[in-house]
Formats: sequence, structure tokens, C-alpha cells
Amino acid sequence: GAVVSQHPSWVICKSGTSVKIECRSLDFQATTMFWYRQFPKKSLMLMATSNEGSKATYEQGVEKDKFLINHASLTLSTLTVTSAHPEDSSFYICSAKGGLAGFETQYFGPGTRLLVL
Amino acid sequence: AQSVTQPDIHITVSEGASLELRCNYSYGATPYLFWYVQSPGQGLQLLLKYFSGDTLVQGIKGFEAEFKRSQSSFNLRKPSVHWSDAAEYFCAVGLGGGGNKLTFGTGTQLKVEL
Repeated sequence: GAVVSQHPSWVICKSGTSVKIECRSLDFQATTMFWYRQFPKKSLMLMATSNEGSKATYEQGVEKDKFLINHASLTLSTLTVTSAHPEDSSFYICSAKGGLAGFETQYFGPGTRLLVL
Repeated sequence: AQSVTQPDIHITVSEGASLELRCNYSYGATPYLFWYVQSPGQGLQLLLKYFSGDTLVQGIKGFEAEFKRSQSSFNLRKPSVHWSDAAEYFCAVGLGGGGNKLTFGTGTQLKVEL
């Protein structure tokens, strides 16, 4: 149980385009979803927290207009990287918690690797 | 602000040997504590967690961790490592309601020699 999927697993795009990444909780209803960014050889950095039906809360230094987060349902959150540039290239990971998966534990998706040319 | 330190960037052990991965945290109260493992192409998998109670917690895959308040540590141990344990291990501290806000350490890369 407590499986989280992400789609796509990797994406290559041209500079200036927008990219949407989906995060789904497959077997539980996620009241809260999180988006992280992981740089090579680095730790995960929390970008934002989203609760179903409400606006996301962004961490300091994260541009909310660059990284649009939508948590439209209890099983789906999306991260849209708008007008992507090479510096946005990274590994993006989502996690989810809530419902039968438990209140305290986050379950992570496999990640999406984004390369902006 | 809270912080998590994993002092060992890389660790190499022989298969069958014991393992201890170190984790220290900085926070005023007892936070929620987690160990995750990340394998290439796979998401972070929860190994174990500590919220309260018995300070020695058992996890999956034969791992255990001990919370030591006096040392602000939460070290991960395994008595006998298997080659399949080679991966990146992350310690994390959760704060806020239900440990919402996770702060991760920088990770320890484990290599297992056959």
C-alpha cells in the first residue's frame, strides 16, 4: 500500500516551454502533497506543500509563478514548470500523506528528471 | 532552524558485515525522525520512523535505528549487510503538525563489496 506515482519519469524540453509533472497517490487519498527538488549529489529540498482544494504553500526562495502547483483532487497534484530554463533542470520528487497511509509519514514518488535545453 | 547532519558521504562495507549510518539533528524538541533509502530509478522508500516511545525502532529489510536524545542522534544499523542494500540513505527530521515539514540530511552513499 501507499504507492505514489509520477509521470513522466523524465522529460527533455526546449528553453522557454512549460512542463507539467503529475503526482498521483494510487491507493490512498492524499490530503497533503509535497514537491521536492533534488540536485546531483545533494539532499532533497522542499519546494512547496499543497493541500487538496487550497493554494500551495511555497518555501522561501521558491518562485510561485515559476513553479505552479495544483492539487485538484485527493489523488492528484501537478507541478508545472513555466517558461523553463536550463537552470530548472533537476530531479523533481513528489510525496503524499494522509488517509489510510497515515498522518505522519510521507510516501514518495519515483521522481521526474527534467532536462531543459 | 532545524538541521540534519549525516557526516559520512560514502561508506563501503563488505557483504555480511555490520553497518551503522550516522545521523545527528539539531532541534529544540524531539522531532519526528525518519530513515529513507533511495535506489536508482526508484522513489525514496521509508525504512523506519520514530515519533515517541521505545527508542529502538525496527524497520523493514532488517534495519533498526536508535534514538538517543542526549546525543541528538538517530543512527541506522543493520547487523549483516546484503549486496542489495547498496543505495543512498537519507535521514530526515519532520517538524510541524504531523511532522509535515521534512528536512533531509545530505545522504550517505553505501557501497557493498562482495
